[in-house]
Amino acid sequence: AQSVAQPEDQVNVAEGNPLTVKCTYSVSGNPYLFWYVQYPNRGLQFLLKYITGDNLVKGSYGFEAEFNKSQTSFHLKKPSALVSDSALYFCAVRDTTSGTYKYIFGTGTRLKVLA
Amino acid sequence: DSGVTQTPKHLITATGQRVTLRCSPRSGDLSVYWYQQSLDQGLQFLIQYYNGEERAKGNILERFSAQQFPDLHSELNLSSLELGDSALYFCASSDAGGPKETQYFGPGTRLLVL
Repeated sequence: AQSVAQPEDQVNVAEGNPLTVKCTYSVSGNPYLFWYVQYPNRGLQFLLKYITGDNLVKGSYGFEAEFNKSQTSFHLKKPSALVSDSALYFCAVRDTTSGTYKYIFGTGTRLKVLA
Repeated sequence: DSGVTQTPKHLITATGQRVTLRCSPRSGDLSVYWYQQSLDQGLQFLIQYYNGEERAKGNILERFSAQQFPDLHSELNLSSLELGDSALYFCASSDAGGPKETQYFGPGTRLLVL
């Protein structure tokens, strides 16, 4: 079965420091991986995706993610965190086995950037 | 703004009642997905429509149903509501629903069943 895991419920980082939000995946076939961010009382906003090609994917708001096939990971990174980055982050994998292509989401990681 | 709209934003109702949630996809998108976000279950896929036809079902209860209309907007109907149905309901849309496409999410409808 296809799945993603976000091992950390919460990540705290000081403003200006680099941040990493971890995601590991388990898929059969090619992985299609996505990161979304959810601010309070808002919907999910798309940040970036990995389909194929370069292992380093650049996305919105200065975020990037590194795809690592050998470690089956897709960690979200940002070189310098902002207080406004504080939100709930979801990693998702596309389900390519059932014909729906629905998202399978991780449990989410709450990022707190401290001033 | 993703271009996906959902109404209403909030809904408070009683157990046993029936409600309808509405979603308008981005212009040109044919595929609509419904997801439920709850504290204990996280984000779960409910159902998908493509160009008016049901394409796939996920963890959707029999008390729940959905449809997609000719103008491509979609409605999620929840009936015989229970306390445990309280959650945030999102719809998302994409162009054709293929695996490489990004799904764009609406702001959600927060349902509270009392």
